[in-house]
Amino acid sequence: ILNVEQSPQSLHVQEGDSTNFTCSFPSSNFYALHWYRWETAKSPEALFVMTLNGDEKKKGQISATLNTKEGYSYLYIKGSQPEDSATYLCASTHGGYNKLIFGAGTRLAVHP
Amino acid sequence: GAGVSQSPSNKVTEKGKDVELRCDPISGHTALYWYRQSLGQGLEFLIYFQGNSAPDKSGLPSDRFSAERTGGSVSTLTIQRTQQEDSAVYLCASSSMNLGGQETQYFGPGTRLLVL
Repeated sequence: ILNVEQSPQSLHVQEGDSTNFTCSFPSSNFYALHWYRWETAKSPEALFVMTLNGDEKKKGQISATLNTKEGYSYLYIKGSQPEDSATYLCASTHGGYNKLIFGAGTRLAVHP
Repeated sequence: GAGVSQSPSNKVTEKGKDVELRCDPISGHTALYWYRQSLGQGLEFLIYFQGNSAPDKSGLPSDRFSAERTGGSVSTLTIQRTQQEDSAVYLCASSSMNLGGQETQYFGPGTRLLVL
């Protein structure tokens, strides 16, 4: 059974703080790592898809790194804003199959 | 352009009743996925349609769950004889190509199902 884990489960930070989360995934038959941002009552929004060891992606103040050999990815948010408050989900795919295997998510609350 | 849409947005039903959840994928997307998030759980895969290929039903939790995709577009997820443990947010996603798991899946806003 493939299992994706995320930590921490939740995080409260002040506006302007930088923060990071961890996603651990099985390295066997790894194909891709996906990050999503999910605000309450909205659709999950795709942030990044990463496939290669050492990949780094950036979108505004959010960036992510990937280590496929040890099976982890980090998501960084620089200078958090209240509008960054959301649940951040990671998901991996394996063996060429399209189904995403999700972690439980990290719930971020940014306080003004 | 229009994103993935789902209906209804909320559904309350009584145990034992059947429910149908609808998904309209992004126009032109060949792949369609259903996931669900039960309370306190992560999103779990249910079923995947790709073009005219046989669907991957490996995530359906029981034979009470079924899904179809008509004309390669709209999909309906049906849950028969609903149980309280079926209460969850049901999300639909679509993607434009098959890259073996490397393609971005675009999600709808979900249907929140509550079984009383």
